[in-house]
Amino acid sequence: NAGVMQNPRHLVRRRGQEARLRCSPMKGHSHVYWYRQLPEEGLKFMVYLQKENIIDESGMPKERFSAEFPKEGPSILRIQQVVRGDSAAYFCASSRTGRDSPLHFGNGTRLTVT
Amino acid sequence: QKEVEQNSGPLSVPEGAIASLNCTYSDRGSQSFFWYRQYSGKSPELIMSIYSNGDKEDGRFTAQLNKASQYVSLLIRDSQPSDSATYLCAVNINNTDKLIFGTGTRLQVFP
Repeated sequence: NAGVMQNPRHLVRRRGQEARLRCSPMKGHSHVYWYRQLPEEGLKFMVYLQKENIIDESGMPKERFSAEFPKEGPSILRIQQVVRGDSAAYFCASSRTGRDSPLHFGNGTRLTVT
Repeated sequence: QKEVEQNSGPLSVPEGAIASLNCTYSDRGSQSFFWYRQYSGKSPELIMSIYSNGDKEDGRFTAQLNKASQYVSLLIRDSQPSDSATYLCAVNINNTDKLIFGTGTRLQVFP
């Protein structure tokens, strides 16, 4: 399967724990995007990365959230000290070249904070 | 003004009819426009991309772009119940690689 791979599909964390969401882009894609979607709401841009670089993190909360896309391995979205308001679906998408090429989405990670 | 605006719906059309979905955007410099379909509980899937003014057809789908009016639309001909989903409009912003999504329009096609 050469699609965007996200794991885990479902993640349950207690308040105060850390959540790590992983994303492997499609083969040949070097641009990775993370979006958050609350129930019955649209996709909210969080961060855009290329290998080893954060290009645009204007949608990321200033505290507790971080993202990386190392030279080797998947992109990681990390949420420290989770709160109930972090419960959402987190989608990763990748594209080949950026602005002119469409995004291809993974199946998402559903985070539930109890 | 929101960067990308869509009517949330629901838009209800009978089977076989044409469904018309609309989207406006605020940035005159936007160059790339996309329509995605999202079924409940699933991830968005790409339907169409359009970059130039005018119409682009792909099967039962036609995307229309009018940059002067900052307006992009999606027409679905011969609507089927399986087309019932939320349709998301996405636009690149400020001549960047950042893609911003509208909140989506929920389409219901009834038999």
